[in-house]
Amino acid sequence: DSGVTQTPKHLITATGQRVTLRCSPRSGDLSVYWYQQSLDQGLQFLIQYYNGEERAKGNILERFSAQQFPDLHSELNLSSLELGDSALYFCASSVAQGVDSPLHFGNGTRLTVT
Amino acid sequence: KNEVEQSPQNLTAQEGEFITINCSYSVGISALHWLQQHPGGGIVSLFMLSSGKKKHGRLIATINIQEKHSSLHITASHPRDSAVYICAVRGHNYGQNFVFGPGTRLSVLP
Repeated sequence: DSGVTQTPKHLITATGQRVTLRCSPRSGDLSVYWYQQSLDQGLQFLIQYYNGEERAKGNILERFSAQQFPDLHSELNLSSLELGDSALYFCASSVAQGVDSPLHFGNGTRLTVT
Repeated sequence: KNEVEQSPQNLTAQEGEFITINCSYSVGISALHWLQQHPGGGIVSLFMLSSGKKKHGRLIATINIQEKHSSLHITASHPRDSAVYICAVRGHNYGQNFVFGPGTRLSVLP
């Protein structure tokens, strides 16, 4: 058990809808990362937060947004959903924001857009 | 050319065999991670390397910074080692995001 909790585990929704994915980092970890894993693209970094502030941005679409709250949990909001947004969305946490911190992954949220 | 490449793409081994998975990258990095993704989808971080070699149980990871290459070795492989192994690198610049390799799918047959 990594200590990182992601909810929900599965989500099925229709095109055009909006969903929110939630991540609670491991106790003591201040950094949260979001990743998308689709069948044809592999793992892609979306965004990183550290102690409530955005720290790095990757291949995140404008229809997607995220935030990290004062209690350090994070939410990833996906709107105007398209079929191509169907993927596994992972959250990971680490104690620091730097490059030498081990990552702890949640079990992912499987999003299916129909 | 992808920034992170892995070989082989797929690997089938018999139980007990010694396995090597390779990762090559083209950018200067500060750290390299080896990840294991189980058939159910969960991801576990196996190693984080910035130099040298690390060992954990039957797993050994090495990195050669000058050659921009890392290897993951599994000794005495077991069917429970069947998974996708992913190499991920992070660049020197603060805040630079991770770049992931395409993964190596390993099947260990009993």
